[in-house]
Formats: sequence, C-alpha cells, structure tokens
Amino acid sequence: DAGVIQSPRHEVTEMGQEVTLRCKPISGHDYLFWYRQTMMRGLELLIYFNNNVPIDDSGMPEDRFSAKMPNASFSTLKIQPSEPRDSAVYFCASSPGFGASTDTQYFGPGTRLTVL
Amino acid sequence: AQSVTQLDSHVSVSEGTPVLLRCNYSSSYSPSLFWYVQHPNKGLQLLLKYTSAATLVKGINGFEAEFKKSETSFHLTKPSAHMSDAAEYFCVVRSHNYGQNFVFGPGTRLSVLP
Repeated sequence: DAGVIQSPRHEVTEMGQEVTLRCKPISGHDYLFWYRQTMMRGLELLIYFNNNVPIDDSGMPEDRFSAKMPNASFSTLKIQPSEPRDSAVYFCASSPGFGASTDTQYFGPGTRLTVL
Repeated sequence: AQSVTQLDSHVSVSEGTPVLLRCNYSSSYSPSLFWYVQHPNKGLQLLLKYTSAATLVKGINGFEAEFKKSETSFHLTKPSAHMSDAAEYFCVVRSHNYGQNFVFGPGTRLSVLP
C-alpha cells in the first residue's frame, strides 16, 4: 500500500482565499483523522471520521473550517476564508479501527500551508 | 482525563551513546501508549505501541519502551544512538474507556552529535 496520501504537499495562498487540502487514507481503514501542527500548539486533532461519518469535530477551530468525506477513499479539509494564523502543517491519518489492536494511526506526509 | 508529559523538550546525545526520552501519562483506565517519530519535514511514523501485553515493547530501529504502571511512565530508550535518530519524538496516550481521542505529548527533539 502507498500509505496515506496528501495533496498538495505545499500550499501558499493569500489571506481571504479558499484552501482545500486532500487526503486519501489507506485502503480498508475505517477511521480518518485530520490534525494541525504548529510550533505554538503542537499537534491538535481537528476532526475524525468513522466510515465516512464525522464523529467528533470539536477540534475544528471555527466555522471557516469544514471537512468532508464523500467516500471511503477521499477526504477534504477546506478553509474559507483563510487567514495568516491558519498557517501550519496539516496532517491526515487513518487507522483500521478503534480497538486496542487496531487503533494505530498511520500518518500522511502533511500539507504545509502558508497564508500570506 | 488523559494527559501526556514529556519531561524534556530537547535531548542531546553523542553518537553511540544511550538514548532516554521520558514520558509520563495520566489516564483513568488502561491505556494504549505509543511513540511516534517525526523527521524534519516528514509525517509521523510509529515507533512502537503498548497495549497491555508485555510491559517491555520493542519497536523499529532498535528502540524500546517499558510500561511502568506504578510510575505512570513509558520512557523510550535505545542502547546506541545513530545520527539518523535525530528527530522529534512524540509520546501518545489513548484510554479506551475515555472517549476515542489520542492525546499527543508536546514532543522531544533529539539531537545526535558526531
């Protein structure tokens, strides 16, 4: 398997623009997670899905952020409008399940977002 | 509640010497515990995982960690550091009886000196 795939790897945009980040989880994994990593706050869970259904979005910072998972092999994280404080590395991760033997998360390479 | 403390934000060792990265956790129930490594500009890679089987867990690249319930610790060790071990290391806890979320520690940056 190719692992978790994220695109783009780097994104530079101007304040106010819409940004869409994409993720393809590992085939057969039922859970998908979106994280944000910054120097100040470390790794933060934004939202996670189970079988394409959002389960917990309490980490989504505000209404400017939205995430969808239209099918088992694709998810998007959208920021509209973007602001400079959204600059961070955004990681997608997937896991086979949530039991003790299946909850290991596998991370993608991340998308480095810079909002000017 | 769950929490993770990584006692050192930065550890520096010489190549060939032992590595010790410390992690203490707080969890109301039996946890799963993980160590992940992140090399510069890369994603996180699983080093090892504890799930209540053996208390000494062996991972990739010669790393291992010991679960000590009485000390609520899960320290990561390696007998001999290699230059390629220089990276950021994250300790992670998840309590199976306390929701679904993983809690990441703040990370420890490991530098390996020649």
